[in-house]
Amino acid sequence: DIQVTQSPSSLSASVGDRVTITCRASQGIRNDLSWYQQKPGKAPERLIYSASSLQSGVPSRFSGSGSGTDFTLTINGLQPEDLATYYCQQHNSYPQTFGQGTKVEMK
Amino acid sequence: QVQLQESGPGLVKPSETLSLTCTVSGGSVSSYSWSWIRQSPGKGLEWIGNILYTGSTKYSSSLKSRVTISIDTSKNQFSLKLTSVTAADTAVYYCARDHFKGGYSYGLDYWGQGTLVTVSS
Repeated sequence: DIQVTQSPSSLSASVGDRVTITCRASQGIRNDLSWYQQKPGKAPERLIYSASSLQSGVPSRFSGSGSGTDFTLTINGLQPEDLATYYCQQHNSYPQTFGQGTKVEMK
Repeated sequence: QVQLQESGPGLVKPSETLSLTCTVSGGSVSSYSWSWIRQSPGKGLEWIGNILYTGSTKYSSSLKSRVTISIDTSKNQFSLKLTSVTAADTAVYYCARDHFKGGYSYGLDYWGQGTLVTVSS
């Protein structure tokens, strides 16, 4: 199975900050990685697919980059509504696997 | 707009079988791939498995001996069965559509709201 290691597990940032979350796959997965946002008590929602393609309707302050084994989710200008847990998921090969999650809190 | 809704018992006894159904509206299960994911209380997301519209299935390595996913195109539904459950299977179970095109997955683009299943006697 491909392991996906996500870091950090949590972070605290202020409104307007730039936030970066990383995922590392245990083997190359091309760009077959998605990012999800999960707000408390809600189902996850896809933000990014194919590592860098923005889901329709998602604010442009969210962006993704990377290919192969190393990937990054960036939030440029953190907003209060971005309080959530973020997950990456590799869907290059089965079984699909998720990162452990990053909880974003406001300072 | 595609919508998914999970249904099934919220309480299952240890050693019994957990059975859930996902009803799809606004789209057809006769295309794409359809997935189950779970989340134990306070924990992260765990991919359980999926089924392609052809009926081909893929499962988690840790659950494959206990999991069966099936599809009913006449009812526009797909289902999950997990046998021999224990307290460790207590979780919110989500169904989702896998954005599967041209032989590749592009992740999970539509999700149900989730349903909590508790395993307890």
